[in-house]
Amino acid sequence: GQQVMQIPQYQHVQEGEDFTTYCNSSTTLSNIQWYKQRPGGHPVFLIQLVKSGEVKKQKRLTFQFGEAKKNSSLHITATQTTDVGTYFCAAGTTMNTGFQKLVFGTGTRLLVSP
Amino acid sequence: DSGVTQTPKHLITATGQRVTLRCSPRSGDLSVYWYQQSLDQGLQFLIQYYNGEERAKGNILERFSAQQFPDLHSELNLSSLELGDSALYFCASSAGLTSYNEQFFGPGTRLTVL
Repeated sequence: GQQVMQIPQYQHVQEGEDFTTYCNSSTTLSNIQWYKQRPGGHPVFLIQLVKSGEVKKQKRLTFQFGEAKKNSSLHITATQTTDVGTYFCAAGTTMNTGFQKLVFGTGTRLLVSP
Repeated sequence: DSGVTQTPKHLITATGQRVTLRCSPRSGDLSVYWYQQSLDQGLQFLIQYYNGEERAKGNILERFSAQQFPDLHSELNLSSLELGDSALYFCASSAGLTSYNEQFFGPGTRLTVL
């Protein structure tokens, strides 16, 4: 089945440093969603990107969808300890049958030291 | 609180046993998804139901089965349990069945097989 890779798998930063995670697919995507899972918690929806080249911001978080709609990135400016968690992208693909499904990426685990 | 409930929160059982995990979706949501998350791993998609019908299957073992009932709650049955089945099992729900629908995750059921 289709795989959606995220890099890095893990990143440890000092509070105040920036952080970026990348999500890559071998096929063209219809949309991409981002989720955050805090330690001991469940994934929570952050945002959805649909258009080629789309950029959306949520406070210190910037989300981008690639021009070819095959990759996406999440950038956090000046990380805080509250940013700790695992960030998942979820890629929307359309099957030959017309059925659409969301495939979750492998996740990037972020650790922030004060 | 996502509005998705899962019971039980924790389950400890022995190899070879059978367990049933239960999920109630958010009010009004017709789609239910089941995911398996092993320790520090990503989200492995198991199966999706929409309005009582199976819509998509992921890497679900033959020992596992699921169903969605007329009241839209869902159950995941795991049988002939093995040590490797120990994991966190998440249920998620969404309003529709396309990849554009945001998924709301429940708190999860932590299964420990001894």
